[in-house]
Amino acid sequence: EVQLVESGGGLVQPGGSLRLSCAASGFIFNNYWMTWVRQAPGRGLEWVAHTKKDGTENYYVDSVKGRFTISRDNAENSLYLQMNSLSVEDTAVYYCARITIRPGFYFDHWGQGNLVTVSS
Amino acid sequence: DIQMTQSPSTLSAFVGDRVTITCRASQSISDLLAWYQQKPGKAPKLLIYKASTLESGVPSSFSGSGSGTEFTLTISSLQPDDFATYYCQQYNSNPLTFGGGTKVEI
Repeated sequence: EVQLVESGGGLVQPGGSLRLSCAASGFIFNNYWMTWVRQAPGRGLEWVAHTKKDGTENYYVDSVKGRFTISRDNAENSLYLQMNSLSVEDTAVYYCARITIRPGFYFDHWGQGNLVTVSS
Repeated sequence: DIQMTQSPSTLSAFVGDRVTITCRASQSISDLLAWYQQKPGKAPKLLIYKASTLESGVPSSFSGSGSGTEFTLTISSLQPDDFATYYCQQYNSNPLTFGGGTKVEI
């Protein structure tokens, strides 16, 4: 059974940093691109970043470029999101998701989500 | 960036109704569109990809159609478990973008 379990969220002050983790199991992790998607309270879904199977290519939405870094450790079956210079606009539930192995960048399994609150 | 516009934003329906949700792209995305269902407090669930291909395990009451810039998600007979918010997502190009969502309520 595919499982994605996020951790590392919480309350952080504006300008602060946080690192999210996503532990993957139930599939061959290094066969899949992986992604982070977020959802601000009461709002829709926003793609944040994704990373290639071997971590050599990363893509970001403009609003987080230069502040967030996606990475992965295939030996540990883990995905990460390092978030720096956080602002209140980054407050959201952050989901880790698996990108399908078929052609196309859509998401076939999701974690349960992890809340990040940026507030003073 | 490709903008995805869903309509309606909210839809009131009854069990047994046929429901159609529309998603429009700001430019052609071929058939590179997925649909997701999200229930309150839960992660989204993939329903359909490549505009019309049903994900394994998804009831056949769900169907998708369209190509280019206009797409629809249809639920042929609404069940109690189908009351949720539905999102479309284009994967033609980065940044990947979602529609604003359609909440299906009683």
